[in-house]
Amino acid sequence: AQSVAQPEDQVNVAEGNPLTVKCTYSVSGNPYLFWYVQYPNRGLQFLLKYITGDNLVKGSYGFEAEFNKSQTSFHLKKPSALVSDSALYFCAVRAGVSGGYNKLIFGAGTRLAVHP
Amino acid sequence: ETGVTQTPRHLVMGMTNKKSLKCEQHLGHNAMYWYKQSAKKPLELMFVYSLEERVENNSVPSRFSPECPNSSHLFLHLHTLQPEDSALYLCASSQDLGYNTGELFFGEGSRLTVL
Repeated sequence: AQSVAQPEDQVNVAEGNPLTVKCTYSVSGNPYLFWYVQYPNRGLQFLLKYITGDNLVKGSYGFEAEFNKSQTSFHLKKPSALVSDSALYFCAVRAGVSGGYNKLIFGAGTRLAVHP
Repeated sequence: ETGVTQTPRHLVMGMTNKKSLKCEQHLGHNAMYWYKQSAKKPLELMFVYSLEERVENNSVPSRFSPECPNSSHLFLHLHTLQPEDSALYLCASSQDLGYNTGELFFGEGSRLTVL
């Protein structure tokens, strides 16, 4: 079965420190991997994606993610956290392509709290 | 104007009421989705419409009834809901696969409370 796991419910980081939000996946074939962010009372916003190519993917707001095929991981990273980065982060994998649409499987989400 | 607009943003209804959630996308996309977001649970895909045809129904109870009159509009009709249906309902859209690498574009969500 295809799935996404975000092992941490919450990650706490001090402002200015590097942050990592973890994601592992299980999918048949080559994975299409995504990170989305959700601010309070808002919808999900696309951050970045890995389709193919360089294992280090850069996205919005200074975030990046590293694809590791051997570890089936796609961890989200940022060199220096900001208080404004505090939000709920979702990892997702495209589970299938059929009927002209994308079927994304989402993880349960990780709440990132950046403290001043 | 945002790409995907959902109304209402908040809805409180009794278990015997009938109400509808509306979603409109201004991105020219061909596929639209309803997701349910409950606290501490992964997003649940409910329905998918591609080119106005329902292509996925993930074992959603019949008290939820989707409607897609055209490629820009998607509705979720609600009737005789249960308190456990209280959640944030998210609408999303995506471009046709010929141009698409998988991103979904989400609306702000409709927060539903069933009393």
